[in-house]
Amino acid sequence: AQSVTQLDSQVPVFEEAPVELRCNYSSSVSVYLFWYVQYPNQGLQLLLKYLSGSTLVESINGFEAEFNKSQTSFHLRKPSVHISDTAEYFCAVSEVQGGSEKLVFGKGTKLTVNP
Amino acid sequence: DTEVTQTPKHLVMGMTNKKSLKCEQHMGHRAMYWYKQKAKKPPELMFVYSYEKLSINESVPSRFSPECPNSSLLNLHLHALQPEDSALYLCASSQEGRGTDTQYFGPGTRLTVL
Repeated sequence: AQSVTQLDSQVPVFEEAPVELRCNYSSSVSVYLFWYVQYPNQGLQLLLKYLSGSTLVESINGFEAEFNKSQTSFHLRKPSVHISDTAEYFCAVSEVQGGSEKLVFGKGTKLTVNP
Repeated sequence: DTEVTQTPKHLVMGMTNKKSLKCEQHMGHRAMYWYKQKAKKPPELMFVYSYEKLSINESVPSRFSPECPNSSLLNLHLHALQPEDSALYLCASSQEGRGTDTQYFGPGTRLTVL
């Protein structure tokens, strides 16, 4: 079974500082990786995903993540954060079960951006 | 339209009540999901429907009963729940239920069991 480890449960940063949220996954022949964001009192939204090809994937709001197969990592980065980036961030990997696909989530990282 | 709607937004019920949660999407997606999320925890998958058939049941207690009346609707029937079932219940959908698909989540129903 696939598993995802998010090493940091909470990450506090100041506005305009860079941030990295770490994610490691269990190795597999092929893997699809996702970052979802959950703002307070809302459902989850896809931030970005890696399926194949270029190992660097970007989102429309300035986040990027790099797939590193040798280190089995998919860390999320942003060079300059805003107050509005305060949210819970979940890393996830896709897993096949009984012929269907499902997401396996990490425990989440709470990003708090302070003024 | 990339919206998944869920009703009600909040629900308070006693342990002997019967209630239902509803989820709807009009994106033409053929896979739909129910998740349970406790505070400060990740979502836990409960059920997956693929082409209106139950494809994954994560050993959920029978007091939770899913139903998929058509490709746009997903219900979760609740009966004889326990206080520990209080949580945020999230519905999601994806195009085909493939590993590469993005799941689109609704805002959730916050359930409190007294």
